[in-house]
Amino acid sequence: QVQLVQSGAEVKKPGASVKVSCKTSGYTFTNYAIHWVRQAPGQRLQWMGWINAGNGNTKYSQKFQGRVTITGDTSASTAYMELSSLISEDTAVYYCARSSSHFDYWGQGTLVTVSS
Amino acid sequence: EIVLTQSPGTLSLSPGERATLSCRASQSVSNNYLAWYQQKPGQAPRLLLYGASSRATGIPDRFSGSGSGTDFTLTISRLEPEDFAVYYCQQYGSSPRTFGQGTKVEIK
Repeated sequence: QVQLVQSGAEVKKPGASVKVSCKTSGYTFTNYAIHWVRQAPGQRLQWMGWINAGNGNTKYSQKFQGRVTITGDTSASTAYMELSSLISEDTAVYYCARSSSHFDYWGQGTLVTVSS
Repeated sequence: EIVLTQSPGTLSLSPGERATLSCRASQSVSNNYLAWYQQKPGQAPRLLLYGASSRATGIPDRFSGSGSGTDFTLTISRLEPEDFAVYYCQQYGSSPRTFGQGTKVEIK
């Protein structure tokens, strides 16, 4: 069965970076894209960007341009999202999701807390 | 960027009742690439519908979707206890992908 398993919760200081992993199984990693979406407390879901796992091409939301980097490791069927220059407003649950168009499978979420 | 506005913000209904949720887009959604997700507390979103009206695998037929262009509707024909949750619409026809602010369906 398709599974996306994310890395555990992180606590970071302002200005630091965080890297979240999304290990996939149950399907051919390179046949789908992986998107990253975050949800701050009480806020709507916010799309951050995506990677074409087949060719490594990426596209990012302008809201995160310059701060977010999404990568993939085809040998490990794993995608990564790194967010830099963290501020308190980046405190959120970060999700990865598999996509061919809509988002059909999601990871369990990773809580990232930014606090001094 | 396409802004999605969902209404109402909260829907208070009893089990067995019909729920009608609305999602309005600020501009036409390309190819009706509109999805609906259900989210329960502490859980990831779960895909319900895509392409405005196609049910995802394993989704019961009490969930249905309709609409095109800028106006879309999710209908739950008879609410079951497990349906009380927050529902989000999302457009994936253009970048950036955007989500509505959610409709909470709560027990009356």
